[in-house]
Parts: sequence; C-alpha cells; structure tokens
Amino acid sequence: QSVLTQPPSVSGAPGQRVTISCTGSSSNIGAGYDVHWYQQVPGTAPKLLIYGNNNRPSGVPDRFSGSKSGTSASLAITGLQAEDEADYYCQSYDSSLSGLVFGGGTKLTVL
Amino acid sequence: QITLKESGPTLVKPTQTLTLTCTFSGFSLSTTGVGVGWIRQPPGKALEWLALIYWDDDKRYSPSLKSRLTITKDTSKNQVVLTMTNMDPVDTATYYCAHRQQQVVPDVFDIWGQGTMVTVSS
Repeated sequence: QSVLTQPPSVSGAPGQRVTISCTGSSSNIGAGYDVHWYQQVPGTAPKLLIYGNNNRPSGVPDRFSGSKSGTSASLAITGLQAEDEADYYCQSYDSSLSGLVFGGGTKLTVL
Repeated sequence: QITLKESGPTLVKPTQTLTLTCTFSGFSLSTTGVGVGWIRQPPGKALEWLALIYWDDDKRYSPSLKSRLTITKDTSKNQVVLTMTNMDPVDTATYYCAHRQQQVVPDVFDIWGQGTMVTVSS
C-alpha cells in the first residue's frame, strides 16, 4: 500500500480534460510538503512533469497543471492527446517515514 | 546536457549483494545543491525511492530498506554506487538513478537514467 493514494486508472477522449488525484495525510501533503508529478510511458524511464505542486519544467506543455489543497493534490491534463497515454505518479515527503514517497500510479487511457 | 546511466548485474542469486553503478555527465557531485538518487520499480508496480546522496556526502535512505543499503559517490569518476545486501526475489525490479533538481524541496528528480533490470533468482 502506497502512502500516497492514486486512482488505478482514468480515461478520456482526445481533446477532453482529465484529472488525477493524489491523496495523502497529515504527515506528508497535509504537513505542507510539496508534490511532484512524473509521467512514465510504458517501457521508458519516468519524466518529471510538475514540481513544487504547480511548476512545469522547461518543455512540458501548459496542458499539464498541478494543484494542492489540504491533504491532496491533483494533476490536470487538458486537450488530451494520444501521446498522453502513460502512467502518472505523484511524489512527496513523509515526515513519519522520514523519506520520499511515491503514489501507487495512475494509468491514463486515451479513448 | 545531463545524462545518467545505470550498470550492474542483470541476475543475482538470493542472499547475494547487489552492486549498481550510476555513471553521469553534465554535472558535478561536488557542486553545492547537487544530488543523485536511486529509485526502483518492480515489474508492473509503482516506483519506490531507495536512497539519495548529496554533494556534501549527506546520505538518506528509505527507512524500510536502510539496513540493507549503502550509497557512495566517487566525484572524480562521476559515479554513484548503490549496494543492497541480502537480495531476495521480491527485489526483482528495474533500478533507476536520477539527478536531484537543485533548490527544490522536497527532493525531486528531474533527469533519470534509462534504468537497469535486475532479476533475483537461483
């Protein structure tokens, strides 16, 4: 069981908007620790998508955005494209565990 | 341009010690704020953070694996080495090393190696 909980799967049609949630607790997201998001196309290494809740590294399209509230964070993808089909992971820090933690991952299917 | 590449055995026997090397370019581990981490991913499963070493030789480990892990750096060779003792079949995974993005808290990994698959089997 991951410390950060994500839905196993989400789906959407091309052009639509989807969101992926990442639910934590008072020892991680709720404690104020920022959340990062990675995209992993099957068979490849993860790629940093969002850092510090809502910051995009250079080269990441502005279709991707992040937010955080309370003990949860969300990744939003607008204007879905076929190339967005991948697994998405959230990451933060947990003070009870004294270490970095990842979510269980969410598989995005573009219908 | 920052690149990282993992190397090591593809197959280890149960109870053996795994040694993985991350060879990188495009940055120096002697530069303030720089760090390199290890993350693994069992087949079909989620990412799991293992260890992180910083420019000042500070080291952090996953609490659940701390007793089995050692991370070291060789700045002159641009390498980071991870050793994991007492390997078990459940440790079968792809092991990634990654560059820690500076000035971001909590630690975040902005550049990843391609990963190396390690199978634990007798």
